[in-house]
Amino acid sequence: QQQVKQSPQSLIVQKGGISIINCAYENTAFDYFPWYQQFPGKGPALLIAIRPDVSEKKEGRFTISFNKSAKQFSLHIMDSQPGDSATYFCAATPNFGNEKLTFGTGTRLTIIP
Amino acid sequence: GAVVSQHPSWVICKSGTSVKIECRSLDFQATTMFWYRQFPKQSLMLMATSNEGSKATYEQGVEKDKFLINHASLTLSTLTVTSAHPEDSSFYICSASPGGRQYFGPGTRLTVT
Repeated sequence: QQQVKQSPQSLIVQKGGISIINCAYENTAFDYFPWYQQFPGKGPALLIAIRPDVSEKKEGRFTISFNKSAKQFSLHIMDSQPGDSATYFCAATPNFGNEKLTFGTGTRLTIIP
Repeated sequence: GAVVSQHPSWVICKSGTSVKIECRSLDFQATTMFWYRQFPKQSLMLMATSNEGSKATYEQGVEKDKFLINHASLTLSTLTVTSAHPEDSSFYICSASPGGRQYFGPGTRLTVT
């Protein structure tokens, strides 16, 4: 019940296209859903996050869509650029704060010219 | 703001020796720090959670006598890998939280020969 399932495992998108990564969870106690971007050999960096009281959050080219009833959330990257090529992890925690994060398995995104 | 550093960034040690990794919050006080391990092309796996001045809480399957965690101050936590073996070779990442979101360090690459 603590798992966060993430798909796809890898994704290739053409420059300028939309990249979409999906996550699903079981634990209804989760109430904070961040997305992290990680480049090789670096620590993950927070990209965008959402609480379950809203269905969508947008920051620049990055949008999270959240479906509470389906227990799913997704990351959309608009106008994808080669610099977006990285591994993306979704995560969830039952208590925004000092509770541990449960990470998805990761999606390796490659943006091709 | 909210910078987390790790030292060293890369370490090689011989099998049977111990190695210490430091995690520092540079511009905030971290009430909670987390230690993760990440194998190549895999997700982050939480090893332990530590609160300043308290004993760390280890995740199931993590040997607390092998991975010693000390959270001596609100800005410093250390992870000591004792009697390291080649299978301990991994990317170790810490995160720190002042309450709220977690801020991740850049990671430490440990290679045990």
